[in-house]
Amino acid sequence: DGGITQSPKYLFRKEGQNVTLSCEQNLNHDAMYWYRQDPGQGLRLIYYSQIVNDFQKGDIAEGYSVSREKKESFPLTVTSAQKNPTAFYLCASNPDRFNQPQHFGDGTRLSIL
Amino acid sequence: AQSVTQLDSHVSVSEGTPVLLRCNYSSSYSPSLFWYVQHPNKGLQLLLKYTSAATLVKGINGFEAEFKKSETSFHLTKPSAHMSDAAEYFCVVRPLNGTYKYIFGTGTRLKVLA
Repeated sequence: DGGITQSPKYLFRKEGQNVTLSCEQNLNHDAMYWYRQDPGQGLRLIYYSQIVNDFQKGDIAEGYSVSREKKESFPLTVTSAQKNPTAFYLCASNPDRFNQPQHFGDGTRLSIL
Repeated sequence: AQSVTQLDSHVSVSEGTPVLLRCNYSSSYSPSLFWYVQHPNKGLQLLLKYTSAATLVKGINGFEAEFKKSETSFHLTKPSAHMSDAAEYFCVVRPLNGTYKYIFGTGTRLKVLA
């Protein structure tokens, strides 16, 4: 079955450490997104990519970085510059057509040690 | 500016009674509208979508929503709640103005009482 796979499910970060969250999709979707979810705040957009080798900052990109070297992969790095990284991170994808819904992975929960 | 307002952060219903989760949107352009459900520690699952066809949209698990342009609303309903419906629900807008962004409401947590 097609879908989005996020790994790991749980991740712990030490002070000063960068960590990378994986997102892979086999839906042949052009667009991919990263969201951060905090309790009571809904989803906030970190980065998105409409095409390979191109991506744009979302509303809360500071302290995060991404790459899009392959259509099916969109990894997110949480850098040491992100001072409050504890959150639930969701990856999503959709075909590049305006009326199409997003498909979501099952998320990665990141905590600070 | 585009925005989505979910009017209730928490809703409690008894099993077997109707469910109403309210969503209002603000958009300068005709939007696409979606409802998603999220169970704990899981991703979002699509319940239904409105994309300018019929204004009454039927989704999975017995849910439906009605698009009312005059009221800029897209409320989610279900005639009879089940215990398994307890989850968080998100209303989402994608304005058809060339933006690639989806705009999320802050969510409504539905509690179903036995």
